[in-house]
Amino acid sequence: DTAVSQTPKYLVTQMGNDKSIKCEQNLGHDTMYWYKQDSKKFLKIMFSYNNKELIINETVPNRFSPKSPDKAHLNLHINSLELGDSAVYFCASSQDLDSPLHFGNGTRLTVT
Amino acid sequence: QKEVEQDPGPLSVPEGAIVSLNCTYSNSAFQYFMWYRQYSRKGPELLMYTYSSGNKEDGRFTAQVDKSSKYISLFIRDSQPSDSATYLCATIQGAQKLVFGQGTRLTINP
Repeated sequence: DTAVSQTPKYLVTQMGNDKSIKCEQNLGHDTMYWYKQDSKKFLKIMFSYNNKELIINETVPNRFSPKSPDKAHLNLHINSLELGDSAVYFCASSQDLDSPLHFGNGTRLTVT
Repeated sequence: QKEVEQDPGPLSVPEGAIVSLNCTYSNSAFQYFMWYRQYSRKGPELLMYTYSSGNKEDGRFTAQVDKSSKYISLFIRDSQPSDSATYLCATIQGAQKLVFGQGTRLTINP
């Protein structure tokens, strides 16, 4: 099945822990992204990578570190988790600069 | 001022009604506009993609861009209960940066 897939689907963890979310796309796209959707459903870009190179890094705390081992993967590692990090994190990919994004189904992170 | 503004609703209409969803944007330089549909517990999926001004039709869906007033619309004809979802408008702000409206939660009542 061609898609953007991310794991895990749900992640519940305590404050202060470190966690990772993985993302893979088999659409052959050059660009991948991480978006955060808050409780009010507002989607905001965090990072984008093009051919493994960081292109966009919005004002995201240093505790968030994306890693792209290859064009088809973009993982998100979060250190020292805080309550405010609770949200749904979406991975996405696109073919190029002006192409629409294809999203995964999200990882629902809850920090207690 | 947010780059893209959208009334979050909720909006509830009877089955078969024509639905009108709207957004405004702040920067006249924006050229590409999209509508995404997001079902509960799912990722947004692309519904319509338009460039510059004008209309684009796809089945029961019509996307409209009015650059003079910086207004984008999505019309759904013969609405169905399966159209119940959150609809997000979006535009490309710069290099590979898609900015979204807040999303409008739509419910179609049978």
